Amino acid sequence: KNEVEQSPQNLTAQEGEFITINCSYSVGISALHWLQQHPGGGIVSLFMLSSGKKKHGRLIATINIQEKHSSLHITASHPRDSAVYICAPLVNTDKLIFGTGTRLQVFP
Amino acid sequence: DSGVTQTPKHLITATGQRVTLRCSPRSGDLSVYWYQQSLDQGLQFLIQYYNGEERAKGNILERFSAQQFPDLHSELNLSSLELGDSALYFCASSAPWGNEQFFGPGTRLTVL
Repeated sequence: KNEVEQSPQNLTAQEGEFITINCSYSVGISALHWLQQHPGGGIVSLFMLSSGKKKHGRLIATINIQEKHSSLHITASHPRDSAVYICAPLVNTDKLIFGTGTRLQVFP
Repeated sequence: DSGVTQTPKHLITATGQRVTLRCSPRSGDLSVYWYQQSLDQGLQFLIQYYNGEERAKGNILERFSAQQFPDLHSELNLSSLELGDSALYFCASSAPWGNEQFFGPGTRLTVL
């Protein structure tokens, strides 16, 4: 069993829809990154959080350390949000482990 | 733009060869991390350096080595290359006071 499980693996949405991506992990962590990877390959860190909730624009991330679960929400999704979203828990304060990613496609 | 730079962007080479990938961290960051992203293995942590010293090691093959220089740039050396080494190689850096990692644009290595 993978240490990090993401769901769904693939997600298709219409523009304007509310999106939720879930991440569960089985190891103790100090924090968790949500990463975005566009088709060109570059990786952008969207959030790093260790408790509660963070919001940047239309993106919201939540984490429950006790339940070993995090979610990424996108409100009012847009075609430019189409990308792969990767959950990456931080183990031992410096080592990232990675989920397999959620491929999101948002259609106009 | 994260402030982390990597060169080259693309590298095509043959099996058995040796290549060097370079990473410059954000100004002020002391930690550099190397990651490999392949089609079959996904993203994997390879190695971390902090202020010139190796801090943590992940799934790095013995054919691979890395170092961090006094100016804090880092190099990842890959030798005796195999077809399976074809992948995207990312480096990331983080500040001394925090854990958030900032990723470079990656180097796409193709071994023919």
